[in-house]
Amino acid sequence: AQSVTQPDIHITVSEGASLELRCNYSYGATPYLFWYVQSPGQGLQLLLKYFSGDTLVQGIKGFEAEFKRSQSSFNLRKPSVHWSDAAEYFCAVAPGNTPLVFGKGTRLSVIA
Amino acid sequence: DTGVSQDPRHKITKRGQNVTFRCDPISEHNRLYWYRQTLGQGPEFLTYFQNEAQLEKSRLLSDRFSAERPKGSFSTLEIQRTEQGDSAMYLCASSSPLLDRGREQYFGPGTRLTVT
Repeated sequence: AQSVTQPDIHITVSEGASLELRCNYSYGATPYLFWYVQSPGQGLQLLLKYFSGDTLVQGIKGFEAEFKRSQSSFNLRKPSVHWSDAAEYFCAVAPGNTPLVFGKGTRLSVIA
Repeated sequence: DTGVSQDPRHKITKRGQNVTFRCDPISEHNRLYWYRQTLGQGPEFLTYFQNEAQLEKSRLLSDRFSAERPKGSFSTLEIQRTEQGDSAMYLCASSSPLLDRGREQYFGPGTRLTVT
């Protein structure tokens, strides 16, 4: 069965510092990969997606993610974090044309 | 494009009562998904529709749960005889086959259910 692992439950970074959130997936082929962000009590907003092609994808709000097939990873990065980035981040895979499988999420806290 | 809407946003009910949630997808999106999210977890798939047809149901969808999409537009999710374990955020999403073959899903704000 497909699965997604986000090893970090909670990360705290200083405002202006760089950020990397980890995501590993388990699937036999290259799945379709997504990062979503969720603010408290809200739904999910798509940050970026990877389907094929260039392994470095750009998203909204200055985020980017890199797909590494050899490591089965799709890590999310941002060079300079803003206080408004504090939220829960979810990595998800769609193994084909099927419903999404989500990781458990990483909660990001931003300190001054 | 007004986005995916869900109603109500919050619902508090007593154990044993029935509840019904509504989801209005983005117009012209023919796929509609229901997910459940408990505290500290990622969303888990419940069921999805393509037009009026319910194509897949997860094992999480016990026989107390039923979902409909009668005219291929809005959908309802009903939970009968609610239990405290049903307390969660219920998320709805929709997608269009014209956008990345339907793989990109747009989520609503969710309905938070509290069973007392």
